[in-house]
Amino acid sequence: KQEVTQIPAALSVPEGENLVLNCSFTDSAIYNLQWFRQDPGKGLTSLLLIQSSQREQTSGRLNASLDKSSGRSTLYIAASQPGDSATYLCAVKNSNYQLIWGAGTKLIIKP
Amino acid sequence: KAGVTQTPRYLIKTRGQQVTLSCSPISGHRSVSWYQQTPGQGLQFLFEYFSETQRNKGNFPGRFSGRQFSNSRSEMNVSTLELGDSALYLCASSSVPGGTTDEQYFGPGTRLTVT
Repeated sequence: KQEVTQIPAALSVPEGENLVLNCSFTDSAIYNLQWFRQDPGKGLTSLLLIQSSQREQTSGRLNASLDKSSGRSTLYIAASQPGDSATYLCAVKNSNYQLIWGAGTKLIIKP
Repeated sequence: KAGVTQTPRYLIKTRGQQVTLSCSPISGHRSVSWYQQTPGQGLQFLFEYFSETQRNKGNFPGRFSGRQFSNSRSEMNVSTLELGDSALYLCASSSVPGGTTDEQYFGPGTRLTVT
């Protein structure tokens, strides 16, 4: 059974710092991995999708990597800003075409 | 293009009642998925519909059901509501169901409170 873990559960850093969020999964038989952000009381915004055959994807200040063999993905945020404060979730699409979610990392960027 | 819309945004129901939530996908998207989000269990997959057919189903009791119409709009229904059904219900649409590249776009959710 696929399980997705995100560490840390919460992170608070000063504005301007680069940071890394981690996501691990137990079954490497995945189709893709997506990173989302969720603002309080709101829906989810897709940030990056990495296909199983890819190693990384970049969008602006965000870079996500995928190492399927070790069951790990990282989301790198460069030059963090207060507007980046949100909960970041990763989800893997498993062999049953279902998205399995991590519990999220709550990120606070202090001005 | 308009995003995914969900109605209503907030709902308060009493135990034992039933509820219907609605989701309109992005224009041109034919796949709609539903998720439940609670503080204790996090995000959990409910079901996915494509071309009016349920393609995939998560591990929820039969009280949770859904359907999709020919215009791709979807509804989910929860019967005999329980306190534990209080959650944020999220709908997502994608253009290509299944496979490696089907990025999902989420609506704002419906906050259901059962009292």
